[in-house]
Amino acid sequence: EAGVAQSPRYKIIEKRQSVAFWCNPISGHATLYWYQQILGQGPKLLIQFQNNGVVDDSQLPKDRFSAERLKGVDSTLKIQPAKLEDSAVYLCASSFPGVGYGYTFGSGTRLTVV
Amino acid sequence: GQNIDQPTEMTATEGAIVQINCTYQTSGFNGLFWYQQHAGEAPTFLSYNVLDGLEEKGRFSSFLSRSKGYSYLLLKELQMKDSASYLCAVSGVIYNQGGKLIFGQGTELSVKP
Repeated sequence: EAGVAQSPRYKIIEKRQSVAFWCNPISGHATLYWYQQILGQGPKLLIQFQNNGVVDDSQLPKDRFSAERLKGVDSTLKIQPAKLEDSAVYLCASSFPGVGYGYTFGSGTRLTVV
Repeated sequence: GQNIDQPTEMTATEGAIVQINCTYQTSGFNGLFWYQQHAGEAPTFLSYNVLDGLEEKGRFSSFLSRSKGYSYLLLKELQMKDSASYLCAVSGVIYNQGGKLIFGQGTELSVKP
C-alpha cells in the first residue's frame, strides 16, 4: 500500500513569511495527525482529525497555525507568520481508529525559518 | 497530565544486548508503543503493548508493567544499522475513539563496532 505522502520535503523561509504543508494519508485511514518535532526532541502533537472533524487542537498555536481537512482525506497545515522557533520537522501521520496498529508517518517537511 | 521519561542517549557494542527503559505517568492508558527513527527519517512502528508482559518480534522485544508505569525495549544481537533514536509513546485515551499518542523525548542509541 502507498504510504503517507507529504510535501514539500524541505522549506526555507524568512521569519514573518507564510508557509503551507500538505499531507495525503493512507487510503481508508480516518484519523490524521500533525506533529512538530524539534531537533533532539520527540514529536509533539499539534492537531488530530477524525475524518474532517477536529478531535484535539489543544497544543496548536492558533494565533499563527491553522490546519484543515475539508473532505476527510488530504490535509494542509499553515503557519502565518512564521517565527524562528517554528524551525522543526512537521510530521503527518495517519491510522485506523483501532488498537494495535500504531501510526504510519510520512517523511516529514523540514522547515527552516531564518 | 502526561509525562514520559526515557534516557537521552545510550551506547552499546555490535552483537550485544541493550535495554531502553521508559517510565510514564498518564491520566488514562490504552497502550504503549515503541518507534524507531533514523536521522532525517520518519518514525517507524516497532511494537505495541497493552497488557502486562513481554512481546517478542525477532531481535526486538518490548515489556510492559502497567502497575509500575514502566516499559522497556530490548534489542538483541545489535547491528550497526540499529543506531537510531527510539521513541516511547503512550496512548492516554481510548484508541478507537481517536486516541492520540504522546511521545517521550527519544533515546539516541549509538552502536559501536
